[in-house]
Amino acid sequence: QSVLTQPPSASGTPGQRVTISCSGSSSNIGDNTVNWYQQVPGTAPKILIYSNDQRPSGVPDRFSGSKSGTSASLAISGLQSEDEADYFCSSWDDSLNGPVFGGGTKLTVL
Amino acid sequence: QVQLVQSGAEVKKPGSSVKVSCKASGGTFSSYSFSWVRQAPGQGLEWMGRIIPILGITKYAQKFQGRVTIIADKSTSTASMELSSLRSEDTAVYYCARDVGTHTGSYHGDWGQGTLVTVSS
Repeated sequence: QSVLTQPPSASGTPGQRVTISCSGSSSNIGDNTVNWYQQVPGTAPKILIYSNDQRPSGVPDRFSGSKSGTSASLAISGLQSEDEADYFCSSWDDSLNGPVFGGGTKLTVL
Repeated sequence: QVQLVQSGAEVKKPGSSVKVSCKASGGTFSSYSFSWVRQAPGQGLEWMGRIIPILGITKYAQKFQGRVTIIADKSTSTASMELSSLRSEDTAVYYCARDVGTHTGSYHGDWGQGTLVTVSS
């Protein structure tokens, strides 16, 4: 079982806005920043959002992140077919003394 | 951006060991931190440990303590991860990644292409 909890699936139609949640505890999200990774099947993960809400250069501003308490969210606006992928949240865990991940959310663009 | 190229797929017997390498280019190897993350078939991501070459410091996830060894060769800009006492549950794609940022606020900024390790009798 993953330390962080994500819904296994999400879906939307092109142009829609979708959000993916990530729930943790005081020892991880509650005390540390959250990162989000995008993984297209068959390829390596790619950093999408870091430090809760920061986008690396090259990541479209359609992607945004937020954090509140022990939960975080990834929002994707103007959904596009190429956004179909798996999305993982991650945060440092003070008890485990290392980064932990969510189980991943498979996003389907209908 | 740093490019990370990993060694090829491996098939191992239960009880044996596997060593996966990760060659970095395009940056200053010694100044970085490198993590190893694995992904079992159809599963999520799992952090195994990291190394900071310039300090020679390693940190391992509790789950893998005693079974994993991560080393770095500054002369070849290569990080390696060895996992011993392999069992079927270790079948996974193993990724190396370059860590960016400070300790608890770091993230995996660049990733290798992944190495499939299959453990089967």
